[in-house]
Amino acid sequence: DTAVSQTPKYLVTQMGNDKSIKCEQNLGHDTMYWYKQDSKKFLKIMFSYNNKELIINETVPNRFSPKSPDKAHLNLHINSLELGDSAVYFCASSRGGDEKLFFGSGTQLSVL
Amino acid sequence: QKEVEQNSGPLSVPEGAIASLNCTYSDRGSQSFFWYRQYSGKSPELIMSIYSNGDKEDGRFTAQLNKASQYVSLLIRDSQPSDSATYLCAVNPDSGGYQKVTFGTGTKLQVIP
Repeated sequence: DTAVSQTPKYLVTQMGNDKSIKCEQNLGHDTMYWYKQDSKKFLKIMFSYNNKELIINETVPNRFSPKSPDKAHLNLHINSLELGDSAVYFCASSRGGDEKLFFGSGTQLSVL
Repeated sequence: QKEVEQNSGPLSVPEGAIASLNCTYSDRGSQSFFWYRQYSGKSPELIMSIYSNGDKEDGRFTAQLNKASQYVSLLIRDSQPSDSATYLCAVNPDSGGYQKVTFGTGTKLQVIP
């Protein structure tokens, strides 16, 4: 069983569209994250949820809206996509109080 | 100033040699340090964590931490072609109890057969 799974793996879309990425973890972890990795491989935290509560919200455009329906799921919705949003988006999870991150396989977002 | 800095490489070492990867960080209050390995097109995976000054060994990997110098390194002994990947240094700064692991830009390692 995949520990942290995210869908879709690839997402190609036009500027101005709205898209969502879904993430689920079956590790029983309390905390989930969204990270963005740009073309230079820089991995930067976007959001973190602990038990469905938003605890980290980095300087991210408000076009990005995370939602956590329960502690096993964290979705990312992006409105009005821009060229600069093209990147790989990684979902991750960790056990409460433990900073070791378990990553999903990533979603390659290409905005044309 | 970048919070976590690494030489982007590529670092090329011959098979069987020791690869030495280095990382510096800016937040003196940082308590937790990690090395992740990321193969091309794959997700990062944790290979080492270190929390106190000194060395920590796990198989062919040794992590070294010097908090006074704000420096953390990873040594890979008997390097294998399968070790060729990007190695990401990660630090949890003193963020008031919240987990905000911050990554460096990574060092690309190439092990030459």
